Amino acid sequence: EVQLVQSGAEVNKPGESLKISCKSSGYSFNSYWIGWVRQMPGKGLEWMGIIYPGDSDTRYSPSFQGQVTISADKSIRTAYLQWSSLVASDTAVYYCAMGLGASGSLGYFDHWGQGTLVTVSS
Amino acid sequence: QSALTQPRSVSGSPGQSVTISCTGTGSDVGAYNYVTWYQQNPGNAPKLIIYDVNKRPSGVPDRFSGSKSGNTASLTISGLQAEDEADYYCCSYAGTYTLAVFGGGTKVTVL
Repeated sequence: EVQLVQSGAEVNKPGESLKISCKSSGYSFNSYWIGWVRQMPGKGLEWMGIIYPGDSDTRYSPSFQGQVTISADKSIRTAYLQWSSLVASDTAVYYCAMGLGASGSLGYFDHWGQGTLVTVSS
Repeated sequence: QSALTQPRSVSGSPGQSVTISCTGTGSDVGAYNYVTWYQQNPGNAPKLIIYDVNKRPSGVPDRFSGSKSGNTASLTISGLQAEDEADYYCCSYAGTYTLAVFGGGTKVTVL
């Protein structure tokens, strides 16, 4: 059974750095893209970026390029999303997700983590 | 402003059909047969219900169907049930620069 288990809720101040995680199991971690999706409070889904752990090929939406860093540690089957300096508008739920099925689309996610709530407030 | 345009809400009575549109451009929806649809209930992660325009993952009821014409994709829920009340999002592959974009979401209300 595929599982994506994300790290717990975070409360941080503006300017702080943060790294949240997504630990995977039940499939070949190196062989499938894993992505991140943002959902701001009361708002819709936003595609942030994606990484292929096998070779660390990482691609970002232009809206998020330079704002966050996506990485992966193959040895512990974990993907990460990090910020170097948080701002209040980073407050959101962040989902990791991956696609195990036959679609070639980078927007195809058939397995999702439970979400991590990040709150940035002074 | 979201890259793909969806109506904010649609509603229908049990047993009726509702259709949600998802309008993009010739660089995303119109260019690729890579439209996916997700259902999201409050407080939960999204769930994949349609991929590659009109394919259903196993376990998704056949009352959910997808289609595309030009730059607009559509999700139809036939035989609406109370449990279908949720938010629905379309997503399209958008090429090697933008990569993928979501719609703004549509709230489906079962009257």
